[in-house]
Amino acid sequence: NAGVTQTPKFRVLKTGQSMTLLCAQDMNHEYMYWYRQDPGMGLRLIHYSVGEGTTAKGEVPDGYNVSRLKKQNFLLGLESAAPSQTSVYFCASGGSYEQYFGPGTRLTVT
Amino acid sequence: LAKTTQPISMDSYEGQEVNITCSHNNIATNDYITWYQQFPSQGPRFIIQGYKTKVTNEVASLFIPADRKSSTLSLPRVSLSDTAVYYCLVGDISPYNTDKLIFGTGTRLQVFP
Repeated sequence: NAGVTQTPKFRVLKTGQSMTLLCAQDMNHEYMYWYRQDPGMGLRLIHYSVGEGTTAKGEVPDGYNVSRLKKQNFLLGLESAAPSQTSVYFCASGGSYEQYFGPGTRLTVT
Repeated sequence: LAKTTQPISMDSYEGQEVNITCSHNNIATNDYITWYQQFPSQGPRFIIQGYKTKVTNEVASLFIPADRKSSTLSLPRVSLSDTAVYYCLVGDISPYNTDKLIFGTGTRLQVFP
């Protein structure tokens, strides 16, 4: 099992560009999450999903959109990137109790 | 909202036992306590979870007093590889409850040789 994988690992965007981050899990988990982590900070929840076809807002959802068309995939989109979105993005999946995290995507917006 | 408070940092030496305490004064009846570990440039990793009393696994022990207003993660005989940030999270298991997903800034543990 690969667990939770994230694509890409690194990306540099110019302000105003768009991109999609892909998260995939092979553990048949119902719940999936997107977090961002800024230097020296804890993780902050962006959006999450409790099942295929569902999404919900987390603590910092502005500027991001998500989709969960398939149970194993959770996509995070940035429609118009801003320098404030420079961060490390982590995806996680899990059941009711624990989460399993991916390796992260390091995004820089210039 | 079950807010948690942890020390910002702790230092230890190899071979010592490390205890990291988390305060959660307004923990609710249905809330569980979960600890994660994060190494630099990696996602957090689940360590242990408990509801009351004591829980032990191959990595750590979790002590929860009867009033559940705090919890203590105990790492026996730490090694250099235990240098990481440790997060305490509190929340119930319902799908739309995001309390259990609040990581805070954690406790940075530095283990010295």
